[in-house]
Amino acid sequence: AQTVTQSQPEMSVQEAETVTLSCTYDTSESDYYLFWYKQPPSRQMILVIRQEAYKQQNATENRFSVNFQKAAKSFSLKISDSQLGDAAMYFCAYLEFNYKLTFGKGTLLTVNP
Amino acid sequence: DAGITQSPRHKVTETGTPVTLRCHQTENHRYMYWYRQDPGHGLRLIHYSYGVKDTDKGEVSDGYSVSRSKTEDFLLTLESATSSQTSVYFCAISDVLGDRVNTGELFFGEGSRLTVL
Repeated sequence: AQTVTQSQPEMSVQEAETVTLSCTYDTSESDYYLFWYKQPPSRQMILVIRQEAYKQQNATENRFSVNFQKAAKSFSLKISDSQLGDAAMYFCAYLEFNYKLTFGKGTLLTVNP
Repeated sequence: DAGITQSPRHKVTETGTPVTLRCHQTENHRYMYWYRQDPGHGLRLIHYSYGVKDTDKGEVSDGYSVSRSKTEDFLLTLESATSSQTSVYFCAISDVLGDRVNTGELFFGEGSRLTVL
């Protein structure tokens, strides 16, 4: 079974600063998707960013960007200009083509004013 | 927002009783999923469905069964609830088209909190 590892249970960042959340995964596939989901205290799961494995270019969405290293099986999330509303639990997830989405255990991000 | 409704949103029950959680979608998406979320474990897949009457097990399927008799409804049943099944349960749907993932994004319901005493 595929595994997704988030090695940082908790992270904190000062408002307006940059923070990077780490994620590694294990797979023997060459084609798959990777995601970062955000879960604020409301419990709603919100898609932050998506990366297709066959695309070498790193995905970006406004202040959010990823560093996708396919050979190293690494998929980190960088949040620039952190805002108080970015405080949440962040989950890295891997989707394979049997349509199973596997999540990491999450990183709790605190943003300090 | 994707049209996903979970019911009930909160339930307290006793050990040994049967429980059914319902996920209803209005998006006509082919794929539906049940996850449970527990502190320190993230979200773990219980079962998923890739079509009407087509289901498969996830990593934590023991003690759970599912049914999908029509596209819009995916039911999760605990035949005899145990305290270890106290959790928050999320339903998700996917806009997979044909044989290839379209965008790959899963849309989640708001979660159902189940407490087994």
